[in-house]
Amino acid sequence: AQKVTQAQTEISVVEKEDVTLDCVYETRDTTYYLFWYKQPPSGELVFLIRRNSFDEQNEISGRYSWNFQKSTSSFNFTITASQVVDSAVYFCALRVSQGAQKLVFGQGTRLTINP
Amino acid sequence: EAQVTQNPRYLITVTGKKLTVTCSQNMNHEYMSWYRQDPGLGLRQIYYSMNVEVTDKGDVPEGYKVSRKEKRNFPLILESPSPNQTSLYFCASSSESDPGAPDTEAFFGQGTRLTVV
Repeated sequence: AQKVTQAQTEISVVEKEDVTLDCVYETRDTTYYLFWYKQPPSGELVFLIRRNSFDEQNEISGRYSWNFQKSTSSFNFTITASQVVDSAVYFCALRVSQGAQKLVFGQGTRLTINP
Repeated sequence: EAQVTQNPRYLITVTGKKLTVTCSQNMNHEYMSWYRQDPGLGLRQIYYSMNVEVTDKGDVPEGYKVSRKEKRNFPLILESPSPNQTSLYFCASSSESDPGAPDTEAFFGQGTRLTVV
C-alpha cells in the first residue's frame, strides 16, 4: 500500500522568509511518481511539479525548489523569499506506475504568509 | 482551453435526496476519477474510470455511483446522500497510462462543495 505523510499541518511565516514543506512517502513499487499541488483559497488544485522515481535531480523553478531523496523517501518543497500570494494549502501526492489511476495524497500543509 | 468542468460548484441538499454532480473534460482523456477532500485526510479516491464503460472502486466508494457512457463525461451519483458525505469533491482526468510521460499530470475540476443536512 502507498502512503504519503505531510507532518506539518500548518505553517505561518513572515513574508520574504524561506519555508520548507516536508513530504515523506511509502511505497514498495520501484517505479513511482511524486507530485505537488497547490490549493489557493479559491479552492482549485494547481499542479506544480511531477518527479519520477528514477530521476533524483533536484529542480528549481523561480522561487520554488524541490528536493527528492529516495534514501529517506522524501520529496520536500522549498519556497524562497515567500510572498503573500504563496498562502495556500499544499498537497504532496504519490502515484505508482501500474494499476489504478490513483493519486495518494498527503493530508496537506496550510501555509500562511503574513505581510 | 483544456479544462475539467464540474457542476454545480456549491450544493446544499437534504438527507436521502438523490443528486448528481456532473464532470466533463475537453482533452479526450481516457482516465477520469472522483476524489473527496476532508480536513486532515487530504484527497481520497472514490471511483475511477479507465475508459468508456470501464469503472472501478477507489478507496472510499460506499454511497456513491458513477457511469462512463461517453469519454468526456463522468458523473458522480449519490443515490441517498447522508451527512457524512458532506465534503469537497473533485473530478480529475489524465491522458496516459504512464504517469511519467509528459503532460500526464491529473487535471482537476474546480471542485464541488456539497453539504448534506
